[in-house]
Amino acid sequence: DAEITQSPRHKITETGRQVTLACHQTWNHNNMFWYRQDLGHGLRLIHYSYGVQDTNKGEVSDGYSVSRSNTEDLPLTLESAASSQTSVYFCASSDRQGKNTEAFFGQGTRLTVV
Amino acid sequence: AQSVTQPDIHITVSEGASLELRCNYSYGATPYLFWYVQSPGQGLQLLLKYFSGDTLVQGIKGFEAEFKRSQSSFNLRKPSVHWSDAAEYFCAVGFNDMRFGAGTRLTVKP
Repeated sequence: DAEITQSPRHKITETGRQVTLACHQTWNHNNMFWYRQDLGHGLRLIHYSYGVQDTNKGEVSDGYSVSRSNTEDLPLTLESAASSQTSVYFCASSDRQGKNTEAFFGQGTRLTVV
Repeated sequence: AQSVTQPDIHITVSEGASLELRCNYSYGATPYLFWYVQSPGQGLQLLLKYFSGDTLVQGIKGFEAEFKRSQSSFNLRKPSVHWSDAAEYFCAVGFNDMRFGAGTRLTVKP
């Protein structure tokens, strides 16, 4: 079965370190997204991609970057981790715009910056 | 600016009672509309979605939602809540990229 997986599921890192969260999908979806979930804010869009070599900034992109070198993967990098980036991160993917635009979510990565 | 508002942060209902969760949106055009559910420690699962046509949409687990263009609303309903429905519910809007509301946490009393 097709799926979307995130790794690691849990990560503790120190302030100032670079961290990369992995997202891999086997749906062959063009669209991929990264969200962060914080209490009282729901899910906020960090970055998204509509295809290989395409990346776009979302609502809360400062301090984050992504790259899309193939269809299956969209890694999220925190260039210099800050305590404000402690959160749960969700990756999602969807087909092109249209009636198949339902997004499928990974299980999430809980990141703690100490 | 695009926004999604879920006015109720937390709702408690008794098992067997009816449920309505509210969602209002602000968008340039009528977007695609979604409701997702998240159980503790889990990812998000799609309950239902609206693209066009019939404004009453049926979803999984006995949920339905009604789109009201004049009110920019997409409220989620269930006639009889089960204890297993306790979770966090998110309304989302958009086309290729989805924006989410802050969520409504549902508690079900025995």
